[in-house]
Amino acid sequence: AQKITQTQPGMFVQEKEAVTLDCTYDTSDPSYGLFWYKQPSSGEMIFLIYQGSYDQQNATEGRYSLNFQKARKSANLVISASQLGDSAMYFCAMREGYGNDYKLSFGAGTTVTVRA
Amino acid sequence: ETGVTQSPTHLIKTRGQQVTLRCSSQSGHNTVSWYQQALGQGPQFIFQYYREEENGRGNFPPRFSGLQFPNYSSELNVNALELDDSALYLCASSISQGPSNYGYTFGSGTRLTVV
Repeated sequence: AQKITQTQPGMFVQEKEAVTLDCTYDTSDPSYGLFWYKQPSSGEMIFLIYQGSYDQQNATEGRYSLNFQKARKSANLVISASQLGDSAMYFCAMREGYGNDYKLSFGAGTTVTVRA
Repeated sequence: ETGVTQSPTHLIKTRGQQVTLRCSSQSGHNTVSWYQQALGQGPQFIFQYYREEENGRGNFPPRFSGLQFPNYSSELNVNALELDDSALYLCASSISQGPSNYGYTFGSGTRLTVV
């Protein structure tokens, strides 16, 4: 079964507007972590934001915020005030496991194109 | 503080050949994991190394193998290359037993083309 689902293959957003990228996840572990990464055409995965399963507050990092709805198993990324440099592929990922044995499971990604 | 470096950046191999990809971890990180990313898809976990031993593996056949060295750098070896092995191979370093919110630092990847 798919652990991370990103249902939006591609999105267009106007410069300076906000965009929400959807992510739902599936796990039976009580302890897990959720990440969002940005992947420009160069290929490198750039860390954006992290949300722990026990965190009470939604995570925020500058223009990025994570809308964490635990009961719905959703972790949507909101990018505010979009910039042309935000055009890239965005991946939601989940870390499961304990101790030293854990791995990241990624979704299929969402391509964001910011229009001037 | 240096990031994660992968080499080579691009590689073309013939079906049936063997390939070795290399990764140097970020300073202070002790764990390395490898991911395969086919074109237009999300990365898939291959395996992870901690203290020079494999301690987690995804759904990949045994012809995918690896090593971790005392300096925490790592190699990914793929034998008997198949056309479907063409992908971007990403290496990520992290700290095991670090804070739960400790993330992964990814390299820029090696793009492997099998012809």
